[in-house]
Order: sequence, then C-alpha cells, then structure tokens
Amino acid sequence: EVHLVESGGGLVQPGGSLRLSCAASGFTFSAYAMTWVRQAPGKGLEWVAAITGSGDSTYYADSVRGRFTISRDNSKNTLDLQMNTLRAEDTAVYYCAKDTSWRLDYWGQGTLVTVSS
Amino acid sequence: EIVLTQSPGTLSLSPGERATLSCRASQSVTNNFLAWHQLKPGQAPRLLIYGASSRATGIPDRFSGSGSGTDFTLTISRLELEDFAVYYCNLYGSSPRYTFGQGSKLEIK
Repeated sequence: EVHLVESGGGLVQPGGSLRLSCAASGFTFSAYAMTWVRQAPGKGLEWVAAITGSGDSTYYADSVRGRFTISRDNSKNTLDLQMNTLRAEDTAVYYCAKDTSWRLDYWGQGTLVTVSS
Repeated sequence: EIVLTQSPGTLSLSPGERATLSCRASQSVTNNFLAWHQLKPGQAPRLLIYGASSRATGIPDRFSGSGSGTDFTLTISRLELEDFAVYYCNLYGSSPRYTFGQGSKLEIK
C-alpha cells in the first residue's frame, strides 16, 4: 500500500526558512517523479514543484522559483522541499504526491506551513 | 497556460441524487491528461479519475468521467454521504507541470 507522510510544517516569520519532508513507502520510490502541491486557507490547489525519479530534473511554479528547492534521497525514500525567503502568501497546507508523469495518483495528508510575524 | 474553470462553485444535493460537475479548459486539451481529485478536510486528497474517463484504483463505479477537447464532466450517479466533499479537476501539461481548477464543493442539501 502506498503511504506518504509529510512533516516539517510549522510557524515561521516572513523572510525565514523551513524544510519539509515526505516519507514514502509501498512503491519503488526511485521509479517515480514526486510533486509538491499546496492549498492556501480558503483557496484551491496550487502545484508547487516536481522532481524526476532520478532527481536529475526539477520543475517549479513561477511563484516559488528561486526561493524553493525540491530534492530527494532515493536511498531513504524521502522527498524534501527547502523553502527560503518565505512570504505570507506561502501559508498553506503542503502535500506531497506520487507523480506518474501525467497524474498524481497518491497523496499524503499534508503539513501546515504558517508564515506570520 | 491553460486555465481550468469549474462549475458550479457549490452544488447542494441529497444522498441518492445524481451529481454533475463541469470543468472547462481555456484551450483544447489534446492529450486528455485530465484528472479529478476529491478533497475532504484532514484527509489525503484522492485521485478519482484520470485520462478524462478512467477510474483510479479502488474508486467505486458510481464515479465516472467524460469529455474531450475543452469540456469535461465528473458524474456521481447516486450520492452517498461520504461523497460530500470538494472536487478539483487537474491537467498535466508542460509549464506549469500541473494546473488545477478552482474546485467545486458538493454539499448536503
């Protein structure tokens, strides 16, 4: 059974940094791309970043490019999202999702990031 | 960039009724990489439909997807209590990699 568990969320001041992690199990982690999606309070879903199975290629939404870095450790089956220069508008629940390259077929339950002074 | 517009924003129905949710793309979707997801508070989002009309693993057959080009539909044939949630359509593309509609809330009447 596919299982994705996010961690690392919390309260951070504007301009600060936070690192999210996603622990994956139940599938061959290195064979699949992975994606981060977020949902701001009262808003819809927004794709944030993706990384190929090998980790060789990464993709970012314009809203986070240059501030966020997606990475993975295939030896530990973990996915990370390093978030720097955080803004109030980055406040959201962040989900990791298994990415089959044209559909997001499994998601975690999410971790809440609050950017506020 | 293709924009997805969902309607209605909120749909109020009773258990046992049929729900029809719409997702319209601003440009024709040539590859049918259109999916539907269900979101409930505090739960992991769930993939329902992919490729516009294929049901994901474990999804009951009361859920069906249809459409092509710019118009796509998610139909729930007979609503059960657990189906009241928010539904998002979602398109795989090149840039951005994924685009979402703004969501449709299905609430109990």
